[in-house]
Amino acid sequence: KNQVEQSPQSLIILEGKNCTLQCNYTVSPFSNLRWYKQDTGRGPVSLTIMTFSENTKSNGRYTATLDADTKQSSLHITASQLSDSASYICVVSRGSNYQLIWGAGTKLIIKP
Amino acid sequence: ETGVTQTPRHLVMGMTNKKSLKCEQHLGHNAMYWYKQSAKKPLELMFVYSLEERVENNSVPSRFSPECPNSSHLFLHLHTLQPEDSALYLCASSQELAVIQFFGPGTRLTVL
Repeated sequence: KNQVEQSPQSLIILEGKNCTLQCNYTVSPFSNLRWYKQDTGRGPVSLTIMTFSENTKSNGRYTATLDADTKQSSLHITASQLSDSASYICVVSRGSNYQLIWGAGTKLIIKP
Repeated sequence: ETGVTQTPRHLVMGMTNKKSLKCEQHLGHNAMYWYKQSAKKPLELMFVYSLEERVENNSVPSRFSPECPNSSHLFLHLHTLQPEDSALYLCASSQELAVIQFFGPGTRLTVL
């Protein structure tokens, strides 16, 4: 069954700290993996996208990693800011680019 | 803003009402999507239009009826909905069913 599992479901950290969010997937065939950020009351916004041959990609303080062998990805946030409070969603594309398998997301709360 | 607008932002309707959700994209894209997002659940793809032709209909109940009059506009017509249809409805667009989808802010729908 094509699935994307994310952990933890929610996370609270202090401003300035680092954190890592996890994504495990069982999706076949695999085309690419994306991380989206969704602020409360808004639609998701793309952070990174990685294909099979890429194992790391950065976007400012966000760094995503991909291990296609173990089918795992992580999103590392460095020096967190209050504006990082959001849900972070892992999405895997299988074959056709609009056939996306969405994770349920990790809700991240940054406290001052 | 992502260049995708949705109206209304909030909608409360009774089970016997008929209403429509509107999405407009200003990005020159030719593919548009409707998603349903329920609390703590992954996004569910409902409909996909490419060049104004429907290419995906993911077993969505007939009480949801999409319409794509041109490549910039997408509607979701609602009638005789159920309380379990209460959710955030997100519209997205992309260039030719491409990798990156740009999302609107969503319509928060409550069915009483």
